[in-house]
Order: sequence, then C-alpha cells, then structure tokens
Amino acid sequence: DAGITQSPRHKVTETGTPVTLRCHQTENHRYMYWYRQDPGHGLRLIHYSYGVKDTDKGEVSDGYSVSRSKTEDFLLTLESATSSQTSVYFCAISEAGTGDADTQYFGPGTRLTVL
Amino acid sequence: KNQVEQSPQSLIILEGKNCTLQCNYTVSPFSNLRWYKQDTGRGPVSLTIMTFSENTKSNGRYTATLDADTKQSSLHITASQLSDSASYICVVSAGKLIFGAGTRLAVHP
Repeated sequence: DAGITQSPRHKVTETGTPVTLRCHQTENHRYMYWYRQDPGHGLRLIHYSYGVKDTDKGEVSDGYSVSRSKTEDFLLTLESATSSQTSVYFCAISEAGTGDADTQYFGPGTRLTVL
Repeated sequence: KNQVEQSPQSLIILEGKNCTLQCNYTVSPFSNLRWYKQDTGRGPVSLTIMTFSENTKSNGRYTATLDADTKQSSLHITASQLSDSASYICVVSAGKLIFGAGTRLAVHP
C-alpha cells in the first residue's frame, strides 16, 4: 500500500460522537486525499490537501473537516457522526494534482460504522 | 455532467477464461484514463494509465484499450487466475479524478 497507513482500520461509534481518522504517509508526496466508498458508488472525494495547512473541499464534504499540520499526516474528522457516514474511508496520496503524475496511491482503508 | 459508467456491474468466469470489462465516459476535458484493481478489503492499485494519444496499454495479462473518439475504454484479462477476483475501477482524469462504480469480477475454479 505504497507507504500509507490508516488508523484505526475498523471503528464502531454512536451517532453524535466525534470521530477522527488518521492517514500517515512515508512517501513525502505533496497531495493527500480522503475518499469514501459506498456500495454502488464510485469513490467520492471528501477533502484533499495540496500542502501543509492547504486543504480544499471535495464533492461530499458536508459533515467532515480535515487538517494537515505535517507533510506526512492528514486527519479526517467527523464532528458529530451520523448513520449516513457509515462507510469505508480511503486515504490516497499523489505527487501532483493533475497530469500524468497524478496517479493516486491508496491506503488500506478504514471501515467506520455509526450506530 | 462528468460521468464514468462501467459494465457489467459483476461478472463470474471460470479460471483460465478471458474476459473484457467496459468503461464509457462523458468527461471533458480529458487528460488520462486509468484502470485500478481493488482486492477485497484493500485499497485500489493502479494497473494501467493511458493518455489521449494512446489506444492500448498492457500490464502482464491485463490489456487496456482506449477509443477517445467514442469515449470508451476496455480492460481485457487473458487466461484468468483466481487472484484476478477483485473489483476493477475505471478512473478518468479531467483536472480531477472521476471514478466509475467498478466491475466486480469473480474467477471460479
């Protein structure tokens, strides 16, 4: 998984509780992404980062926030988890944001269940 | 609207047989197209990448084709193996990545 780890790998939580997922990379790639994957849907971008402290929203950002204080770490926070946020979350990294160097390398995923 | 549609949704084949997965896209402007393989419980892994000017790219038993005029791509798997059982995701780059929903392939002995 290209030097990318995600923690935790599995989490069960209750509606209304805050949840933070962590992505750590050892590749020194500039770009980092958070996706969610649900049955019948393609991977959908939640947020991405193009550098330390530089982040932007993706197509499904409502209810999520992110932070990147170091090149290697990208955190995804659900401020108040809802059942609709039950999903598998993938972190990805890339050297560039567009063009031929924009191949994204994915982490192993975090399975989140919100009861 | 930028979309990537894959067919079939799922497919079962016998070990040793060939198969072809389809990807149609309505994405503009087009930069490149990738096929990813996603094993159960793992993150997707890139198999091939093709730019606008390329119409075929191979990676071992995997061969991807691209027709930029009709906006269609296919992934052909030759002499399938049990380890080919996975989801295959078509991804089109157009400033941002547009993901298809994937085709789930099961290879049976």
